Amino acid sequence: GAVVSQHPSRVICKSGTSVKIECRSLDFQATTMFWYRQFPKQSLMLMATSNEGSKATYEQGVEKDKFLINHASLTLSTLTVTSAHPEDSSFYICSAPATGGSTEAFFGQGTRLTVV
Amino acid sequence: AQTVTQSQPEMSVQEAETVTLSCTYDTSESDYYLFWYKQPPSRQMILVIRQEAYKQQNATENRFSVNFQKAAKSFSLKISDSQLGDAAMYFCAYRETMDSNYQLIWGAGTKLIIKP
Repeated sequence: GAVVSQHPSRVICKSGTSVKIECRSLDFQATTMFWYRQFPKQSLMLMATSNEGSKATYEQGVEKDKFLINHASLTLSTLTVTSAHPEDSSFYICSAPATGGSTEAFFGQGTRLTVV
Repeated sequence: AQTVTQSQPEMSVQEAETVTLSCTYDTSESDYYLFWYKQPPSRQMILVIRQEAYKQQNATENRFSVNFQKAAKSFSLKISDSQLGDAAMYFCAYRETMDSNYQLIWGAGTKLIIKP
């Protein structure tokens, strides 16, 4: 099946620094990528939807300037957490919807971000 | 707006027995998809089973089956012959057929514990 590769799987950064998370679709072209945040023992919270070649659509309450999303190609979408703070520590997951009529969505492995 | 409700934060079952996880949803659409996803401790999201709303027949995948009651807007997951590897968070999700973004609406999740 289709694969979405997400890196890094874990990252620790200092407060005030920026962290970039990458999601690559390895064997298909992803015109859309969903970025989720997941708090412990909770469900996936949609942060934004990125579309190749256009600006991302952010959900209400998500700071656009803090969570920069770029979808420059059909196989790569990135989420950059800028000026990270400890409250940004969380699990971030990317997901590409199915293509070619399939109903399935494909998920990256997730990134555990810890800001110290 | 569509909503998905999982009213069981946690369920436990003895190994080899059967367990049913509940999910209800609210929508005014007649055409949509429903999914059950599993998130094991690795946190990789795994599709367990899907159901197209236009199909009356309940979906089955080996030990996993659903009870889809469209009029009641209910979509429960039955796991037969529970195995230790079934221990995970289980999320129910909904997607409109006509949503060109393929966005999933998620339930809060149910933590499934398997007792050896």
